[in-house]
Amino acid sequence: GAVVSQHPSRVICKSGTSVKIECRSLDFQATTMFWYRQFPKQSLMLMATSNEGSKATYEQGVEKDKFLINHASLTLSTLTVTSAHPEDSSFYICSGIGTSGISGATDTQYFGPGTRLTVL
Amino acid sequence: QKEVEQDPGPLSVPEGAIVSLNCTYSNSAFQYFMWYRQYSRKGPELLMYTYSSGNKEDGRFTAQVDKSSKYISLFIRDSQPSDSATYLCAMRKTSYDKVIFGPGTSLSVIP
Repeated sequence: GAVVSQHPSRVICKSGTSVKIECRSLDFQATTMFWYRQFPKQSLMLMATSNEGSKATYEQGVEKDKFLINHASLTLSTLTVTSAHPEDSSFYICSGIGTSGISGATDTQYFGPGTRLTVL
Repeated sequence: QKEVEQDPGPLSVPEGAIVSLNCTYSNSAFQYFMWYRQYSRKGPELLMYTYSSGNKEDGRFTAQVDKSSKYISLFIRDSQPSDSATYLCAMRKTSYDKVIFGPGTSLSVIP
């Protein structure tokens, strides 16, 4: 299957600072990327959908000025958590749409390994 | 009512057992159905991908979709300790629509 990487895998920061998370599709071009957050023992909650070269579409309740998303190329999307607070501590996961090696479908979502953010 | 419901478990089975995981959903517009496996502190990994109703088999895994009942299942045969993970069902309406995830079922396979 397609490979998606995220960097960093883990970050600890002080309250009030900004943190940038990178998401890369390594062996496919992802015109659409998604950003999720996941709290312990809970499912993935979609934060936003980004298409290469255009503004991201945010889900209801997600502050676009706090969670800045940039999708400047077909292989890179970034999420910046601005002025992070302890309540932003979570597991952030990105995904890109690529071709499935299982079904051959060209619309399968592949997920990155996630970034664990801890805000002190 | 949540769009996708799934028993969170935890589900504990002995090694070699057949595992049945299920999800129900409320929106009849869903056409694409997926099962993901997520190990602790890792991103989800795609296991099965199905379009519309029917069965699909891949090794020890079988996915079933019954759109008339709005019910999907994942069966794991000859379960192994390495199958211990959280299993997430997921679905969407069209090819590029956002994916809606179930809350996940935590599975433990005991040696």
